[in-house]
Amino acid sequence: SQTIHQWPATLVQPVGSPLSLECTVEGTSNPNLYWYRQAAGRGLQLLFYSVGIGQISSEVPQNLSASRPQDRQFILSSKKLLLSDSGFYLCACSGENQPQHFGDGTRLSIL
Amino acid sequence: GEDVEQSLFLSVREGDSSVINCTYTDSSSTYLYWYKQEPGAGLQLLTYIFSNMDMKQDQRLTVLLNKKDKHLSLRIADTQTGDSAIYFCAESSTGGYNKLIFGAGTRLAVHP
Repeated sequence: SQTIHQWPATLVQPVGSPLSLECTVEGTSNPNLYWYRQAAGRGLQLLFYSVGIGQISSEVPQNLSASRPQDRQFILSSKKLLLSDSGFYLCACSGENQPQHFGDGTRLSIL
Repeated sequence: GEDVEQSLFLSVREGDSSVINCTYTDSSSTYLYWYKQEPGAGLQLLTYIFSNMDMKQDQRLTVLLNKKDKHLSLRIADTQTGDSAIYFCAESSTGGYNKLIFGAGTRLAVHP
């Protein structure tokens, strides 16, 4: 079964600084990969998904970008963080038409 | 558009059954899911049901699906303090990347 690694677990960044969150997956090949954001006390909002290397689709316009340089690596980035980027970021993966499984998340606080 | 709704809070006594309800709007939903989130953690897949089924049981968990009313429920038998968490309902339609639409989550509090 697949294992999803996310790091760091927590991150405190100043407004205007860059961001790079990494997600790597083990135990599966050619997975679909996803980035979600969960605001405090809220549900999950899908930010990006990827069905293959270099293939990124964005669900909502925002200050963030995603990249997939390798089959099992998914990166979430920003050039300049905003206060509104604070939240809990979750990476997920799935096989085609299979349930999504989630990593442990990164809690991002913007000061 | 697609929408999934859940009640926000449920309180039960330890040993009782818990029933968490969810409604969805997308009639083309193919799978419906229940995820559990403990404080500070990611989401754990509990169970899921294909839309042509009306019930699925897995140990203490029973999922009921009323496709006509677009209503999904999760029953937890003999609720324990370790079941305290937020429970998310989600639905997906067919599609290679399996897009999920999540509800806002139901916080289950189990008290002695």
